[in-house]
Amino acid sequence: DSGVTQTPKHLITATGQRVTLRCSPRSGDLSVYWYQQSLDQGLQFLIHYYNGEERAKGNILERFSAQQFPDLHSELNLSSLELGDSALYFCASSGTGGFFTEAFFGQGTRLTVV
Amino acid sequence: AQTVTQSQPEMSVQEAETVTLSCTYDTSESDYYLFWYKQPPSRQMILVIRQEAYKQQNATENRFSVNFQKAAKSFSLKISDSQLGDAAMYFCAYRDTGANSKLTFGKGITLSVRP
Repeated sequence: DSGVTQTPKHLITATGQRVTLRCSPRSGDLSVYWYQQSLDQGLQFLIHYYNGEERAKGNILERFSAQQFPDLHSELNLSSLELGDSALYFCASSGTGGFFTEAFFGQGTRLTVV
Repeated sequence: AQTVTQSQPEMSVQEAETVTLSCTYDTSESDYYLFWYKQPPSRQMILVIRQEAYKQQNATENRFSVNFQKAAKSFSLKISDSQLGDAAMYFCAYRDTGANSKLTFGKGITLSVRP
């Protein structure tokens, strides 16, 4: 158990809909990262939040947005869903730093758009 | 931008044998971190081993060891005494030294273990 919790584990929804994926980081971790894993694109970095503030954006579509709340949990919102958005979405957390921190991954949310 | 390349999409190894998974990366940084993650059928991403670029000594974790060649920008994973439970997808990943920098992953390699 990595200590990172993602809900829901599975999600099936129709095209055009909006969904919210939730992530609770490990206790004390201030950083949350979102990744998308699809068969053809591999693991793609989407966005990084640190203590409530957006720190970096990767290949995140404009239809997607995220936020990190004061209790440090994070949500990834996906709207106007398309078939191609079907993927495994991972959340990872890491500590405040110091010299070296590693990222711990949740079990992922498998999103299927039909 | 940093890139990570895993050129072998699949590999197979006989149980109890040794297998080496290859990874190369590109960066202009002199200090950074490298990782190997394992993703079994459960889809959980599990950290296998990590290497700090400033350390010359290769990291070792039980049956897992790396061959880190900084000049060649090569970072291979050796699995000794392969077990059936080692069957999984393995990802090589790179991270800058900033405490909150992101991981950049390779495409992954699927390892099968023959009984």
